[in-house]
Amino acid sequence: GAGVSQSPSNKVTEKGKDVELRCDPISGHTALYWYRQSLGQGLEFLIYFQGNSAPDKSGLPSDRFSAERTGGSVSTLTIQRTQQEDSAVYLCASSSRLGQGNSPLHFGNGTRLTVT
Amino acid sequence: GEDVEQSLFLSVREGDSSVINCTYTDSSSTYLYWYKQEPGAGLQLLTYIFSNMDMKQDQRLTVLLNKKDKHLSLRIADTQTGDSAIYFCAERYSSASKIIFGSGTRLSIRP
Repeated sequence: GAGVSQSPSNKVTEKGKDVELRCDPISGHTALYWYRQSLGQGLEFLIYFQGNSAPDKSGLPSDRFSAERTGGSVSTLTIQRTQQEDSAVYLCASSSRLGQGNSPLHFGNGTRLTVT
Repeated sequence: GEDVEQSLFLSVREGDSSVINCTYTDSSSTYLYWYKQEPGAGLQLLTYIFSNMDMKQDQRLTVLLNKKDKHLSLRIADTQTGDSAIYFCAERYSSASKIIFGSGTRLSIRP
C-alpha cells in the first residue's frame, strides 16, 4: 500500500511569507508526528497527534508554528511569517498504534523548505 | 531532560564490523530504536529493543542495551557499501508517546 506522502517535496519562499506543509499518513494510522531536520542536525521533535488531538506540542519552536489534523488523517503544518532559520527538511511520520514499541514510525520523504 | 547523543561520524573498512553508539537520559524509556536514512530519503526502521532486554540480533544487526549506563549500540557485521547512511538512535518515553531522536551518525565505508 501507499506510504506516508508529503507535499510539496520542495518549497522556496520569501522571508515573511506563510507556508503550509501537508502530510498524508498511511491509511488507518492513528498517530502522526512532525519532525524538523536542519542541515547537519538530528531530528527535532515538533508535535504529535493521536487522532485529531495533539497531546504534546512542546516541540513547536514558536507561536509562528501551528499544526492541525482533520478526520484523523491529513495533517497540515503551518509556518507564519517565515524566517531564514526555518529553512530545514520537515519530516512527517505515522504509526498504527500510539505507545506500542512494535508499531514503528513510517516516515515520508519530507518537505525541503528554503526561506530566502 | 530529554537528550539522545551520538557521535557524528564513523568510517569503517568494507567487510569489517561497524559499531554505532548512543547514550540517552530517560531511565524510564520503554523502547529504543535504530533508524537508517539514505541520501534524499526518509527514515526507515532497522530494529528496536524493549527496555527489559539486553540484546537483540537480527541477521547482520546486533543491538546491545546497557540500561544501567543508558547506553545503546548497533553493530553491523560484514559492513557493505550499501550500509552507507545516517543512523539514528531514538527513544520512546514511558510517560508519553513522544519519540526523541539523536543527531545521527554518518557511516562511511572505505574500500
